[in-house]
Amino acid sequence: ETGVTQSPTHLIKTRGQQVTLRCSSQSGHNTVSWYQQALGQGPQFIFQYYREEENGRGNFPPRFSGLQFPNYSSELNVNALELDDSALYLCASTQSSSYNEQFFGPGTRLTVL
Amino acid sequence: EDQVTQSPEALRLQEGESSSLNCSYTVSGLRGLFWYRQDPGKGPEFLFTLYSAGEEKEKERLKATLTKKESFLHITAPKPEDSATYLCAVQAGRSGNTPLVFGKGTRLSVIA
Repeated sequence: ETGVTQSPTHLIKTRGQQVTLRCSSQSGHNTVSWYQQALGQGPQFIFQYYREEENGRGNFPPRFSGLQFPNYSSELNVNALELDDSALYLCASTQSSSYNEQFFGPGTRLTVL
Repeated sequence: EDQVTQSPEALRLQEGESSSLNCSYTVSGLRGLFWYRQDPGKGPEFLFTLYSAGEEKEKERLKATLTKKESFLHITAPKPEDSATYLCAVQAGRSGNTPLVFGKGTRLSVIA
């Protein structure tokens, strides 16, 4: 059984640019959630995808968008990057039909200059 | 609004000095309470899920307990490798698709 993987590990962008982060879910999991974790804070929910459709969204603006593919891998896209977008971006996968826990990937560290 | 408050923010222990971390929560319809361990720059690593008041779970030197208002993570005879940030999160609602609401974590340092 493979775990959750994310790419890239680190990324540096400048303000106004766009970025795409990628996540491969744990085998057998059909639901993926994305979280943003600022330094010294707990993760904050961005949105969730279930069977390729957005299935819930946190308090983030529309310039944060996502996709889930038929193989349950996922992307997080952020447009018009702002300095405050600098954070660790985490994806977590789960099997929605059970009480199973959400398992997190190692994260992508995004720095916006 | 669902909320999670963790205390203390930081805790420094000598090796072998047992202690507890607190997680207070308010949630409409608790589905589960989760404890994660997070090392610097890494993703959270799952430790425990607790579902109902009175439930307890153990793993090596860690024991998690749950009441209707709070959860405790007890650390018995900690070792330096237990140093990490410990995150508590709650999940509300009736489905497994509801998001986790996290606290800010407790940063634990265990000194040899």
